Amino acid sequence: GEDVEQSLFLSVREGDSSVINCTYTDSSSTYLYWYKQEPGAGLQLLTYIFSNMDMKQDQRLTVLLNKKDKHLSLRIADTQTGDSAIYFCAVPLESGGSYIPTFGRGTSLIVHP
Amino acid sequence: DSGVTQTPKHLITATGQRVTLRCSPRSGDLSVYWYQQSLDQGLQFLIQYYNGEERAKGNILERFSAQQFPDLHSELNLSSLELGDSALYFCASSSGLADTDTQYFGPGTRLTVL
Repeated sequence: GEDVEQSLFLSVREGDSSVINCTYTDSSSTYLYWYKQEPGAGLQLLTYIFSNMDMKQDQRLTVLLNKKDKHLSLRIADTQTGDSAIYFCAVPLESGGSYIPTFGRGTSLIVHP
Repeated sequence: DSGVTQTPKHLITATGQRVTLRCSPRSGDLSVYWYQQSLDQGLQFLIQYYNGEERAKGNILERFSAQQFPDLHSELNLSSLELGDSALYFCASSSGLADTDTQYFGPGTRLTVL
């Protein structure tokens, strides 16, 4: 299997909550990240969580981390059409003294009016 | 705006050709990463440079090479291009090598090989 896995699609109605899940094989990194990619654009850092936390809230975003199960999730409350994008989780993996963020394939979030 | 710039934005070329993609990192960042994004492979790490030296290598083909110059900008050279090399190529930069050094991405170069 892949080092970082995400489901490919999520469809929600405007105003509902969205939950995007990510599982990873291993990480000794201090941080784990969520990035957002809008159509035709680069990846934009959305939020991150310390590996010694199990939850982080940032306005409409809530990140949950279950280190035991190696599971990371991103919850978007009151999802808006402007939240439609691809969301990537990124887990830094150690490689020869560097930490290289390894990305999932991305979850396409589609928000219906 | 992440502060990372990439040129050109779009590139259309033919099979067998060679192209050079350019990246300028955020001011003060020493580390540059190159990624390839395609529909079937997702976002694949290619190579990392830190302060002019290669630090980590990912799934980079032998036909591809990169370098980082003294002013810290980086170039990715793609040669003997094939149809399958058509993809978005992203550059990212970070301040250093630590796992706490966040990566910031450029807008990407879309390469189309005809």
